Amino acid sequence: DAKTTQPPSMDCAEGRAANLPCNHSTISGNEYVYWYRQIHSQGPQYIIHGLKNNETNEMASLIITEDRKSSTLILPHATLRDTAVYYCIVRGYNNAGNMLTFGGGTRLMVKP
Amino acid sequence: EAEVAQSPRYKITEKSQAVAFWCDPISGHATLYWYRQILGQGPELLVQFQDESVVDDSQLPKDRFSAERLKGVDSTLKIQPAELGDSAMYLCASSSQAGTDTQYFGPGTRLTVL
Repeated sequence: DAKTTQPPSMDCAEGRAANLPCNHSTISGNEYVYWYRQIHSQGPQYIIHGLKNNETNEMASLIITEDRKSSTLILPHATLRDTAVYYCIVRGYNNAGNMLTFGGGTRLMVKP
Repeated sequence: EAEVAQSPRYKITEKSQAVAFWCDPISGHATLYWYRQILGQGPELLVQFQDESVVDDSQLPKDRFSAERLKGVDSTLKIQPAELGDSAMYLCASSSQAGTDTQYFGPGTRLTVL
């Protein structure tokens, strides 16, 4: 699996955009980038994923660089409820097909 | 919106006792995963099912852990005997197919072994 590198923590002011970076310089051509978040004591929540093109849904936007070696998750208007650990994952494959290898993630603190 | 169900949410047990966790995946999801998350770390895959068959249990400590999904729907993860180091969050996830689809996680079971 390609490994990812994320800053361990970030702060963001409420109402501002939160931009969470992720480096995945060894990503392979057929590997997707997934983002999950985990609010304290809850299960990980799926946010968004992409392969090459930028993606947007009701939760966030995902910007992937042209060389695919890095990406940025954007929460356009962060709220206090967005405080969580955000995991950037390059989805790998085991013999059974699909596996997610979580790293340490970025702890995002949204402040009033 | 369909969700993955898990029970119990919290479990406290003494070492050497047996514990069991239950997971009900999203309806129609053929692939089911059990992960373990130690405090301060990301989740790690323990076992993966495709329908009722185990397709990856390479990270499952088989001397004490077992998992089953008898009818290809809900699943049970068991630990016997529990050890202090088993204290963790046990997460269940499901996806409609193994190869391509997004995994959706349940709320987890927090296990504390005393």
